[in-house]
Amino acid sequence: EVVLTQSPAILSLSPGERATLSCRASQSVNTYLAWYQQKPGQAPRLLIYDASDRATGIPARFSGSGSGTDFTLTIRSLEVEDFAVYYCQQRSNWPITFGQGTRLEIK
Amino acid sequence: QLQLQESGPGLVKPSETLSLTCSVSGGSINTRSYFWAWIRQPPGKGLEWIGTLYYSGSTYYNPSFKSRATIPIDTSKNQFSLRLTSVTAADTAVYYCVRQYLGGAGFDPWGRGTLVIVSS
Repeated sequence: EVVLTQSPAILSLSPGERATLSCRASQSVNTYLAWYQQKPGQAPRLLIYDASDRATGIPARFSGSGSGTDFTLTIRSLEVEDFAVYYCQQRSNWPITFGQGTRLEIK
Repeated sequence: QLQLQESGPGLVKPSETLSLTCSVSGGSINTRSYFWAWIRQPPGKGLEWIGTLYYSGSTYYNPSFKSRATIPIDTSKNQFSLRLTSVTAADTAVYYCVRQYLGGAGFDPWGRGTLVIVSS
């Protein structure tokens, strides 16, 4: 099973700042990695698929990069609505696995 | 616009079977272009993939469920389901049905989710 480790667990930033979230895989997942945003009481929302492709309707301030075992989600200039929990997910190998999440909170 | 909606009992007794249905609207599940899947999230915790279904009936399951999970498809009703047997309190969670990208990584869209509590 591929273990995804997200860091940091909690990230405290202010609106307007740049956020950098990390996801590290225990073995290569090529670019079969996605990122999700989840707000309280809501279902997760797909942000990035295949490591760097933005999903439909996702603002350009969200970007993904990486391949193999190291991946990054960058939010260029944080807006208030961006403060949420973020998960990465791989489907290179069965079973599909998720990271434990990074909570992005307002500083 | 594709929409998914989970339905089923919100309370299940320990040792019984959890049964949920996902109704798909705005598109057909009888397609070669996507998978369909169930994912769950215990209260206050992270996301856990349960299993994935292809329109042909082929399925892939998370081994952590030790064969307790099955995902039948009903193309005539444009629905797929989740059956989870021998439930315990650890199966208490919000259950989501989702569409899964076929060739890459991504689940989209998601249903709103349904909370299932396992309790006597």
